[in-house]
Amino acid sequence: DAKTTQPNSMESNEEEPVHLPCNHSTISGTDYIHWYRQLPSQGPEYVIHGLTSNVNNRMASLAIAEDRKSSTLILHRATLRDAAVYYCILNSGNTPLVFGKGTRLSVIA
Amino acid sequence: DGGITQSPKYLFRKEGQNVTLSCEQNLNHDAMYWYRQDPGQGLRLIYYSQIVNDFQKGDIAEGYSVSREKKESFPLTVTSAQKNPTAFYLCASSIEPGFLSPLHFGNGTRLTVT
Repeated sequence: DAKTTQPNSMESNEEEPVHLPCNHSTISGTDYIHWYRQLPSQGPEYVIHGLTSNVNNRMASLAIAEDRKSSTLILHRATLRDAAVYYCILNSGNTPLVFGKGTRLSVIA
Repeated sequence: DGGITQSPKYLFRKEGQNVTLSCEQNLNHDAMYWYRQDPGQGLRLIYYSQIVNDFQKGDIAEGYSVSREKKESFPLTVTSAQKNPTAFYLCASSIEPGFLSPLHFGNGTRLTVT
């Protein structure tokens, strides 16, 4: 599966939208884009995933570039409880998920 | 409530002792996984099991062993052969075999070996 590049850390103000970027220039046609987040001292939790089209759920939105070489996880209104490490993962379904270091999001009150 | 239970939350052992970490799920999920996380790092896959009585090595299986005798249970044994066993261990499950279904994680066991 192709590799992803994420910023090490980001900061956001509470109640403002957050856009978490992920670059994956070597993505293949069968790679899904998965996002998980890990709150302090907990296991990761699934956030969202998509293949080509933008996706929305109760937690977040996933915007996928037309060429699929990048994507953005959007938290519409950050709260203090959204402070976590966010992982962007590519997976075609042939092997288990590989979690990199992710982006550490800090939310400022 | 359905979920994954890892116990205990904290575990302390002396060097040279084997230790078994428990992972139980009541989600009726087919697949289960063990990951290891070191401070400031991502997760590394130790073992996974797609169905009962079958499991495969992940990227860092050396020094670990598992069993999958029941669908709901996937215990991990950290043996004395594991060179650096102190870490945060995470168990996960997914509803079906294959690797596209979302993973559900437990809250981990923090193992300290001195």
